[in-house]
Amino acid sequence: DAGITQSPRHKVTETGTPVTLRCHQTENHRYMYWYRQDPGHGLRLIHYSYGVKDTDKGEVSDGYSVSRSKTEDFLLTLESATSSQTSVYFCAIPGNTGELFFGEGSRLTVL
Amino acid sequence: GENVEQHPSTLSVQEGDSAVIKCTYSDSASNYFPWYKQELGKGPQLIIDIRSNVGEKKDQRIAVTLNKTAKHFSLHITETQPEDSAVYFCAASPYTDKLIFGTGTRLQVFP
Repeated sequence: DAGITQSPRHKVTETGTPVTLRCHQTENHRYMYWYRQDPGHGLRLIHYSYGVKDTDKGEVSDGYSVSRSKTEDFLLTLESATSSQTSVYFCAIPGNTGELFFGEGSRLTVL
Repeated sequence: GENVEQHPSTLSVQEGDSAVIKCTYSDSASNYFPWYKQELGKGPQLIIDIRSNVGEKKDQRIAVTLNKTAKHFSLHITETQPEDSAVYFCAASPYTDKLIFGTGTRLQVFP
């Protein structure tokens, strides 16, 4: 398995509070991705990073920010969580032939 | 941008029967088509993939076919087993390091 760990795995928070999810990789890969998974929508890309301090938006980036201060860590922040951000969040890194390796997911509930 | 449609959303089969999941994509520039299997509480895992220069690929009981002219690709699982029960996602890659996912198919295999 690719060395990806996500934390926390589960979190319940209230509307309006900030939340940060962490993705840690041990593969030294340049690219890292954050997806969210919702019923009926599959997996949708939020943000991705192509190097330290290099990030770009995905298809559902509104309400999210990211940071990458070192190769191994990619942080996803919800500055002011809303109920529509209740979801399962997956971090991913690419393999050698274009595939993605996913972490185990972080389930976020915003009350 | 690329759009991937996946059908059916749920599929129930008897153990030993075959299962077929179909996806269509919109961007003719897409050249990489992976399939992922997601078990409950886990992240998606790659099970098979195909590139645009190949029409079919097999790996034991699973196979993927690609029709570039019609812009659709399918996953075929033969001799289904209860452990094949999971959610399956197709994806298409319009360019390097970017995957667009279908909405998923929940496959149930009944003993």
